This record gives sequence, C-alpha cells and structure tokens, in this order.
Amino acid sequence: GENVEQHPSTLSVQEGDSAVIKCTYSDSASNYFPWYKQELGKRPQLIIDIRSNVGEKKDQRIAVTLNKTAKHFSLHITETQPEDSAVYFCAASLRSSGSARQLTFGSGTQLTVLP
Amino acid sequence: NAGVMQNPRHLVRRRGQEARLRCSPMKGHSHVYWYRQLPEEGLKFMVYLQKENIIDESGMPKERFSAEFPKEGPSILRIQQVVRGDSAAYFCASSPFESHSNQPQHFGDGTRLSIL
Repeated sequence: GENVEQHPSTLSVQEGDSAVIKCTYSDSASNYFPWYKQELGKRPQLIIDIRSNVGEKKDQRIAVTLNKTAKHFSLHITETQPEDSAVYFCAASLRSSGSARQLTFGSGTQLTVLP
Repeated sequence: NAGVMQNPRHLVRRRGQEARLRCSPMKGHSHVYWYRQLPEEGLKFMVYLQKENIIDESGMPKERFSAEFPKEGPSILRIQQVVRGDSAAYFCASSPFESHSNQPQHFGDGTRLSIL
C-alpha cells in the first residue's frame, strides 16, 4: 500500500518569512495530493490540492509543487502570518473514474509562526 | 450547505462498554470515510463506505470494530468492548457521487473518544 513520509515534524519561522514542508510517497500510481491544515482540537481543512497531471498550483500565499519522477511534493507558504500556525498534513490518494479512494496521510508538521 | 456532521463531539466510555459514533455526510455526498487520529499523530484510514455498501475496510481492526452506512440515516462506527487503546479522535469525511471522483474529501469536527 501507499506510504507517505513528511518532513519536518516541527517548523518555526518568523512572521513574514516563507515555510516549506516536504512529503514523499511510495506508490507511483497515486495521482491526487491534498494538503490539510488542522488547528488544535479542530477538523482538518483542505487548503490546496494538486493532481498528477499538474506540476505546480498556487492560491494566493500558498503553493504546491509535485515531482512525479521523484515521487515528492511540497507545500510553500509565503509571507507567513501568526494565524498560519497549525499542524499541516500532506496526503496521497489514487483516484480513478468511478472510484474515490481513501487518503494516506503524512505524520504532520507543526508550524509555528513567531510574531 | 451544511458540512459533515459528527456526533457526539466528545464521548466517554468505561472499558468493556460500547461506543457508537455517528456521521452525516454533506448534502449530495454518497461516499463516507472514517479515520482515526491518535494524539500528536496523523490520520489513519479505517473504512470507506457508500450507501449500504462497505467498499474498503482494510484499515479497520478485525475485531470489535464495525461500520455501516444505511440507506436512511447517518453512517455509524461501532466499537464494542472498548479498551484504553481505543482513545482517539475519530474523523469522518465525505465526498460526492463517484462520477465526481476528483472532488476532495471534507471532514467533520470529529468525535473525541476517551476510555476510562
């Protein structure tokens, strides 16, 4: 089955700096890669996702890149703000016509943005 | 459009009792997934259901755990004879009908199960 590794486990940055979180996956058939943000005691919230036919996707201060050959994908947050502080999870899934597979999650990155 | 609804938010049980966790998917969603999150860990897949069908239960423990998604009503995750190791947050997610399989999963607020 799929295995997703996520690094680093903790990350502290100064407000205004950029943060990068990296994930690798094992199953070359995986084709869908979402990122979730989870604040303490709350639900995981989808912040951005990317499909394997795309190499990069951006949404305001958040971007995700995907390298299918190397089987890794990264989350980039620019101009970080204190409210970006949370645990971020990457995930991988195989999605095909007529089938919506389960997500395999990384172990999470605790991001702290220092004011 | 209401999101994924889970109840109860918190559930306390003594060892040996049964725990029932409920999940109502988003309106128009017919796929339900259950995940378990241990403290300071990631989410682990348990089971994937569609109405009246278990599609994939490869992440579910073989004993004491069961799940259903009846034609009417919420999906239920049932844990019999709970043990301390069952203490965790249990999250439900839903996604739309399979013809829209590129749609993301949306999560509920979870049920935090504590075993005394």
